[in-house]
Amino acid sequence: NAGVTQTPKFRILKIGQSMTLQCAQDMNHNYMYWYRQDPGMGLKLIYYSVGAGITDKGEVPNGYNVSRSTTEDFPLRLELAAPSQTSVYFCASSYSLVSQRNTGELFFGEGSRLTVL
Amino acid sequence: KQEVTQIPAALSVPEGENLVLNCSFTDSAIYNLQWFRQDPGKGLTSLLLIQSSQREQTSGRLNASLDKSSGRSTLYIAASQPGDSATYLCAVRETGGFKTIFGAGTRLFVKA
Repeated sequence: NAGVTQTPKFRILKIGQSMTLQCAQDMNHNYMYWYRQDPGMGLKLIYYSVGAGITDKGEVPNGYNVSRSTTEDFPLRLELAAPSQTSVYFCASSYSLVSQRNTGELFFGEGSRLTVL
Repeated sequence: KQEVTQIPAALSVPEGENLVLNCSFTDSAIYNLQWFRQDPGKGLTSLLLIQSSQREQTSGRLNASLDKSSGRSTLYIAASQPGDSATYLCAVRETGGFKTIFGAGTRLFVKA
């Protein structure tokens, strides 16, 4: 069981370049999230999705875009990379909370380390 | 707006010591609280999850407590070992369930 899979693990970008961070989960989770983590800081929510076709902004959405065409995939797009986007990006997922038996536990990928020079 | 604070930011203890990590949150309307461990350069590993209706959860040498009324949670680590050295993150899931808010973490170093 793969869980949450992120690619690539490492990437170096030049200022102004674009790229997509991939995230896939095989647990049939409705909710998916993108976080960024800067050194010595907690995780900040960039975007989240509660199901296919539904996305919403988190705390720090500027400079990013997302889409959710399937339940399994939640890619994060950086259109014009800036040095301020140098960070470690984490994708996470969980079940929706409709069922009272669901604990709401959050599952994480291994992270994607991005450097913008 | 929910805010999560973890104190201390860093902690160094000798091996074998029992220790407590603290987490506080500003809004008591939470769905759950989850403790994670993060090793340097790695992802997050879930340690314990406490539902809003629960007071504590235990796993091996770890015990997490939750006091919603005071907006506090503690993670108790018994008989600490060098292998426990890592950053410990506290995360609160809001009632309504969409967002989880993280603290900045406590970096723990256990000396052999």
